[in-house]
Amino acid sequence: GAVVSQHPSWVICKSGTSVKIECRSLDFQATTMFWYRQFPKQSLMLMATSNEGSKATYEQGVEKDKFLINHASLTLSTLTVTSAHPEDSSFYICLSRDTTYQETQYFGPGTRLLVL
Amino acid sequence: QKEVEQDPGPLSVPEGAIVSLNCTYSNSAFQYFMWYRQYSRKGPELLMYTYSSGNKEDGRFTAQVDKSSKYISLFIRDSQPSDSATYLCAIPLTGGGNKLTFGTGTQLKVEL
Repeated sequence: GAVVSQHPSWVICKSGTSVKIECRSLDFQATTMFWYRQFPKQSLMLMATSNEGSKATYEQGVEKDKFLINHASLTLSTLTVTSAHPEDSSFYICLSRDTTYQETQYFGPGTRLLVL
Repeated sequence: QKEVEQDPGPLSVPEGAIVSLNCTYSNSAFQYFMWYRQYSRKGPELLMYTYSSGNKEDGRFTAQVDKSSKYISLFIRDSQPSDSATYLCAIPLTGGGNKLTFGTGTQLKVEL
């Protein structure tokens, strides 16, 4: 079946550093990818919609300058958490939509971020 | 009112029990409905999706939609310990580029 990968799977960093998370669709093209964040025992919250070749669309309350999204190819989107702080510690998950079969969407395995 | 509401549980059942997981939604324009399963510290995986009212069956899983009541259900027959996970209902937002909105998830534990 379709596979979406994320890298890294977990990261620990110091407050103030920037962290880049990659999301790749491995066997399908994804014009659109979504970035979610999940805090412990809470549901998935959509942060932004990433579109290949254009600017990302951010949900209300999500700072675009803090969470930089780049969707440079049909198989890769990156989320960079800039100047990370402890409150940014969370589980970040991407969701990739198959360009050909748009009802088909697959989650990546997630990236656990811990900011000290 | 939230667009999708789901009882967070936790729900604990004995092995072999029939499990019923439910969500309600607010917008009657929603067209199709999805159920995801998420194991601890993992990304969600799609279990089932359905477009219409009625039942859709896949092995031990049955998804049911009642559009008149705006109520969706997931039934698990002969539940197994490996079914222990969080189950999330998800609905694509109409007019929102099919962005998925999720329920809070119901944590299920199937005990031996």
